[in-house]
Amino acid sequence: RKEVEQDPGPFNVPEGATVAFNCTYSNSASQSFFWYRQDCRKEPKLLMSVYSSGNEDGRFTAQLNRASQYISLLIRDSKLSDSATYLCVAFEAGGFKTIFGAGTRLFVKA
Amino acid sequence: NAGVTQTPKFRVLKTGQSMTLLCAQDMNHEYMYWYRQDPGMGLRLIHYSVGEGTTAKGEVPDGYNVSRLKKQNFLLGLESAAPSQTSVYFCASMKNLQSEGGNTIYFGEGSWLTVV
Repeated sequence: RKEVEQDPGPFNVPEGATVAFNCTYSNSASQSFFWYRQDCRKEPKLLMSVYSSGNEDGRFTAQLNRASQYISLLIRDSKLSDSATYLCVAFEAGGFKTIFGAGTRLFVKA
Repeated sequence: NAGVTQTPKFRVLKTGQSMTLLCAQDMNHEYMYWYRQDPGMGLRLIHYSVGEGTTAKGEVPDGYNVSRLKKQNFLLGLESAAPSQTSVYFCASMKNLQSEGGNTIYFGEGSWLTVV
């Protein structure tokens, strides 16, 4: 079993739709969580951190549920430019080791 | 500000050849990482370093060696390349865990390696 698991998708949604991704992690000692975005043939870039209280950045909302060990990302009013792969990331306790999920592919269509 | 720079960007190797991938960061970051990314597998940690002169094994270290002689550089070596090492390699760095935002990981643009 992978330490961080994501639905690979792809998710195909029309512009303006709301889409949600989930990610589960197996190490209960993981302490920090993030969502990264990766465009085709490009390097991953930080999208947002994930806090227990939930956090929002414009059209993006991230949630962490420690009891159930899952993280979610909600994208509202999807844009064509949101088409990318979204990677869930967990830092292990101690923080040196970062575990990436395999990513969820999103296609937003006009 | 160059950030994280990897060289070379593309390379084709024959089985058994050796090569070194160079990663350089100009952000004075303490931590550096080497990942490989394969279809459907996500990013897998090969080796990492928490400071100059220190290295540690990650998830998939076999067939690779690393060195961090200078804080800004992290080298990944393949002593005897195998077709299974065909992949995209990403170097990354992180400042530290103590400062706010310090645990943001910054990636290089990737190195595409094919072993034939």
